[in-house]
Amino acid sequence: QVQLVESGGGVVQPGRSLRLSCAASGFTFSSYGMHWVRQAPGKGLDWVTVISYDGTNKYYADSVKGRFTISRDNSKNTLYLQMNSLRAEDTAVYYCAKALYSYGYQESAFDYWGQGTLVTVSS
Amino acid sequence: SYVLTQPPSVSVAPGKTARITCGGNNIGSKSVHWNQQKPGQAPVLVVCDDSDRPSGIPERFSGSNSGNTATLTISRVEAGDEADYYCQVWDSSSDHHVFGTGTKVTVL
Repeated sequence: QVQLVESGGGVVQPGRSLRLSCAASGFTFSSYGMHWVRQAPGKGLDWVTVISYDGTNKYYADSVKGRFTISRDNSKNTLYLQMNSLRAEDTAVYYCAKALYSYGYQESAFDYWGQGTLVTVSS
Repeated sequence: SYVLTQPPSVSVAPGKTARITCGGNNIGSKSVHWNQQKPGQAPVLVVCDDSDRPSGIPERFSGSNSGNTATLTISRVEAGDEADYYCQVWDSSSDHHVFGTGTKVTVL
């Protein structure tokens, strides 16, 4: 069965960096676009970024553009999110999510989500 | 940027029908997806592409989309349907996914 397992969260000071990972299994990882979505405590879902199945196309929310970088290693079935210049408002649970349709990453819904990893930005 | 507006809360008695709206400019021209999130859990996709149900989702969940409003309908509501529901679209003008503001469904 499909599994997405995030890791790398923790407490970090403002201005510092953190890298999240999402280990995927149970499907052909290299055929699907992948997303990061976050949720601040008590708030709604907030889309962060997407990467195409082959890593050639990437899009970012305005709030993270220039600070966050999404990448993937299809040989390791792993998705990454490099987060630099972190701010207090980046505090959230970060979920990775799989696109429903193979080779689709734009209009496609997200059919599987990980359980999330908590990132807390605080001095 | 594209905005999706949902009512903050909807209350419904068991066995009745809940309707959750998602308003957006000409949303009828987009594919709308609906996600259910229970407390402390990751979201679950319940309706995709306006009205399709993923495998394992009960037929009680249905969707429609036209004009400026998309609607998620939950028929014969059960206590287990109590959750937050979020609509979602891809905004091609900004190359962003957008989530709605979320609706908390309470079963009376």
